[in-house]
Formats: sequence, structure tokens, C-alpha cells
Amino acid sequence: ETGVTQTPRHLVMGMTNKKSLKCEQHLGHNAMYWYKQSAKKPLELMFVYSLEERVENNSVPSRFSPECPNSSHLFLHLHTLQPEDSALYLCASSQDSRGGAGETQYFGPGTRLLVL
Amino acid sequence: AQTVTQSQPEMSVQEAETVTLSCTYDTSENNYYLFWYKQPPSRQMILVIRQEAYKQQNATENRFSVNFQKAAKSFSLKISDSQLGDTAMYFCAFRGTGTASKLTFGTGTRLQVTL
Repeated sequence: ETGVTQTPRHLVMGMTNKKSLKCEQHLGHNAMYWYKQSAKKPLELMFVYSLEERVENNSVPSRFSPECPNSSHLFLHLHTLQPEDSALYLCASSQDSRGGAGETQYFGPGTRLLVL
Repeated sequence: AQTVTQSQPEMSVQEAETVTLSCTYDTSENNYYLFWYKQPPSRQMILVIRQEAYKQQNATENRFSVNFQKAAKSFSLKISDSQLGDTAMYFCAFRGTGTASKLTFGTGTRLQVTL
């Protein structure tokens, strides 16, 4: 399988549930990202990992917990979410995160999350 | 902080015609990268074209080309010979070259290609 994959593609959860989103990249990249896409709003960067180390956390609530066990996998653990957290969660990867020529980000298909 | 503005929420074009999507940005940096991404109804965000600010020549990828006006901070996307498969949301994005830079997206333009 090539590119960036995400599972599950759709997720419905209650506010007391705990779930995890998974992202896997097959591009040999060193940096991975989580974005949130809500209706009528620009994509919001949530987290950046470079070589498995978190390099950016954009004031995301603690009910979202990222994990990057290696450079190919990225998780987003969810717990006690709110209805306003319903959105499309996109994962992306790039060669590096330092802003050079290898910065082009490639996106996965997203997970559509609905919090009831 | 950088901002990206897409002033056209929706556009429509007939098949085989040409359409131009607008994007302006604001930055104090001299070196940076600009991108156009396409997000069809399937939701997969796909890179369409990329432009390095230090290159004067406009980037081209098949039917897609950009008009990059650095002084005006303008980065429009032209789609020639529009096809039904071009129907999608199009996002303009900016990234600086500093280590703390991040990819900043506009709010998108919804393009509908009609018969």
C-alpha cells in the first residue's frame, strides 16, 4: 500500500468513550502531522512530530493525546470528547518538518468523527 | 503571523473552459513555499501544484498553472480545459522556511464543473 492511510474512515463515539485514530505513511518520511477540519473553517494544525518527537502542539485540549511510536505511525487517542470536536481529522506526512524543500505535505483520506 | 485569503467561496465553470481561483497571502518572509491542494468529495487532500517563492517562473502541472505575483503577494491557480473530475474544494496554503513555520491554509474555494 502506498501513500498515507488512515483508519477508521468513519467513527461515531459518545462523550464518555475512548477511541484512537491511526495513521500510517508508506513514503519514508520523517515528519507527521494531525489536522482538524471543521465546516467553513481553515484546516487547523494540531500536532507535529519529527523523528518521533513532538515539535509542535497548537494549544490542543488534553482530551486529544497524540502518540508517535515510530516515523511511520501516528495515533490520536481520544477521550471524553465534546460534540464540537466532531470534524474530519486529517493526517499528513512530509520528508522533514524544518521548512526546506522537502516540506511538501501529503495527506491521508481522513477520519470523519461524530461525537454524540 | 501569516494569513492566507481565498475570497471566492464558490465558483462554477463549464467543462472544457478555463477558470482561475484567487489566493492572496500576507507575510514578512522573503523565502517561502506556496501550495494548491484539491479536496474532492472523497475527502482525500491531494497536492495540485507547488511554487517556491525564490523561483520567478510560474509552476505548471499539466492543465494546472499558477500566476505567482510576489510583490502583490498573489498566488492564483488556473485550470485549463476543466473536467468533471476537477469538481472539488481547492485550498491555497503557505509555508515559511523557518523551523517554527507551519502550513497555513485558506478557507477554500468550492469549484463546480458543469456540463
